[in-house]
Amino acid sequence: QVQLEESGPGLMQPSETLSLTCTVSGFSLTSNGVGWVRQPLGKGLVWMGTIWAGGSTNYNSAVQSRLSISRDTSKSQVFLKMNSLQPEDTGTYYCARQGLQWSFAYWGQGTLVTVSS
Amino acid sequence: DTVLTQSPALAVSPGERVSISCRASEGVNSYMHWYQQKPGQQPKLLIYKASNLASGVPARFSGSGSGTDFTLTIDPVEADDTATYFCQQSWNDPFTFGSGTKLEIK
Repeated sequence: QVQLEESGPGLMQPSETLSLTCTVSGFSLTSNGVGWVRQPLGKGLVWMGTIWAGGSTNYNSAVQSRLSISRDTSKSQVFLKMNSLQPEDTGTYYCARQGLQWSFAYWGQGTLVTVSS
Repeated sequence: DTVLTQSPALAVSPGERVSISCRASEGVNSYMHWYQQKPGQQPKLLIYKASNLASGVPARFSGSGSGTDFTLTIDPVEADDTATYFCQQSWNDPFTFGSGTKLEIK
């Protein structure tokens, strides 16, 4: 079955670079896009960016200058890197497989990232 | 960015019908999707492209709308439907989500 699992450090310092990994199973990264969605504690969802099946990427302009999404298809992993972290980057980070009409059909359980000095 | 406006909260009794609305600040064709998120869990896709039921989702859930006005309907509501419901559009860049409607079952 389709599964996604996020991993990464839970606590970051301001100005550091965040690196998260999404390990997927049950589907191929060359057949489906994977996006990253952030959710501040107790708040709504924000799409950050997607790496598509062909390897191209789209980013939310709000974070585009700080964000990079890449992948290793041989390891079924998608990576998120975001620099210049600030406390407002605190939240749960989800990776999700893009579905029909660019919905998010399957989600990982999320990983909480706290940015604090 | 396309702003999606949802009412913040609703309360209904089991067995009733509830409609949750989502209004877009600009047209999104039919590229509107609905998610359910229970406390401490990841979102779950319920409806894609306005009216299509996602796999494994009970037929009590349905969606309608096009352009700027969309509705998620649950009929009948069950106690387990307590959750926050988010809409998301994928017609305009960037993809955006509504702020969510918290559904309370009395």
